[in-house]
Amino acid sequence: QSALTQPASVSGSPGQSITISCTGTSSDVGGYDYVSWYQQHPGKAPKLLIYAVSNRPSGVSTRFSGSKSGNTASLTISGLQAEDEADYYCSSYARSNTYFFGTGTKVNVL
Amino acid sequence: QVQVVHSGAEVKRPGSSVKVSCKTSGYPFSSFYMHWVRQAPGQGLEYMGIVNPRQNYINYARKFQGRVTMTWDTSSSSVYMELSALTSEDTAVYFCAREIPATSYFDYWGQGTLVTVSS
Repeated sequence: QSALTQPASVSGSPGQSITISCTGTSSDVGGYDYVSWYQQHPGKAPKLLIYAVSNRPSGVSTRFSGSKSGNTASLTISGLQAEDEADYYCSSYARSNTYFFGTGTKVNVL
Repeated sequence: QVQVVHSGAEVKRPGSSVKVSCKTSGYPFSSFYMHWVRQAPGQGLEYMGIVNPRQNYINYARKFQGRVTMTWDTSSSSVYMELSALTSEDTAVYFCAREIPATSYFDYWGQGTLVTVSS
């Protein structure tokens, strides 16, 4: 396996909630509580949003939340804002001390 | 504050090698892991490998084994990634990203170094 599966794009109107899925296998997402999420604006480095499935670093808006069920992790953005328009990537620890990233999801704010 | 600063953009010929560096500051260098991740133009993130200076440990993603070398210099708090036998498919932005030991997430990222492979 080389990458976790994410939807290519998700759209929502300001104020709405959207959810981005991240599907892996029992060897990565399903096997460890080491799923993290990153936001990337064009031309910028990724920024950590969520770690260890559902934890937010200091300074990250409470509008971002994470969860996991089986081999699928999810990122929910509540109260969608224009500034949330960006690319989002999940990441998971996998066996043999390596990591996989998701295929990436472009969030469009309508 | 934590800072991770990359070396400048590079243009390389196919078949050659490139060495990218990240200079860190604002934290005890050897106490943290550093990872390398790349992103081809318009594409997603791709994991390359990890260095753990304190335990002298290095691990490369299977795809890059035999072609990548990751090193560090504790005296300058810098990490290095050298990729050989370059092809056009190696054209990408190369990021280094810090990990608090055994947490399995990347809390600080450098700004990235663009490597362009072109004849």
